[in-house]
Amino acid sequence: DSGVTQTPKHLITATGQRVTLRCSPRSGDLSVYWYQQSLDQGLQFLIQYYNGEERAKGNILERFSAQQFPDLHSELNLSSLELGDSALYFCASSTPEGRWQETQYFGPGTRLLVL
Amino acid sequence: GQQVMQIPQYQHVQEGEDFTTYCNSSTTLSNIQWYKQRPGGHPVFLIQLVKSGEVKKQKRLTFQFGEAKKNSSLHITATQTTDVGTYFCAGGPYNFNKFYFGSGTKLNVKP
Repeated sequence: DSGVTQTPKHLITATGQRVTLRCSPRSGDLSVYWYQQSLDQGLQFLIQYYNGEERAKGNILERFSAQQFPDLHSELNLSSLELGDSALYFCASSTPEGRWQETQYFGPGTRLLVL
Repeated sequence: GQQVMQIPQYQHVQEGEDFTTYCNSSTTLSNIQWYKQRPGGHPVFLIQLVKSGEVKKQKRLTFQFGEAKKNSSLHITATQTTDVGTYFCAGGPYNFNKFYFGSGTKLNVKP
């Protein structure tokens, strides 16, 4: 158990809908990263937040947005969903400085299926 | 485009055989990390290499960082069925604003 929690575990929805994925980092970690992993694919970095502020942006679509709240939990919002958005979404957190050299601890992921 | 390339994509070995996966970057990396993802699981951090030419060992696993800090390898000696999973390398350039995961090498070990 990495100490990072993600909810829900599974999500089934229809095209055009909007969903929110939630992540709670490990105690003491200020940084949260979001990744997308399509079937049998690598990890695509989406976005990083550090202590409530956006720190780095990867290949995140305009239909997707994220935020980190004062209690450090983060939410990833996916809207106007398409079939191709079906994937495993991971959240990771890292030790306080939020730098890339740090170990990232991954949550169990949310499996999203868009029908 | 993809900054960190990883080969091979798949590797099937007989239990007891060795396994190696390679990671290559077009740019100099500040560090390289290796993660393992078991089937149905999430990536788990294995190790980080920072220095040029660095070699680290964890039991049957040997990790190397190239002299130019543009490539890395993970070698597993005498594979076991518990080694099954996908191994990812990850690294970023010195400006710290980008971090890339390799596409992963999926290892299957036949008993």
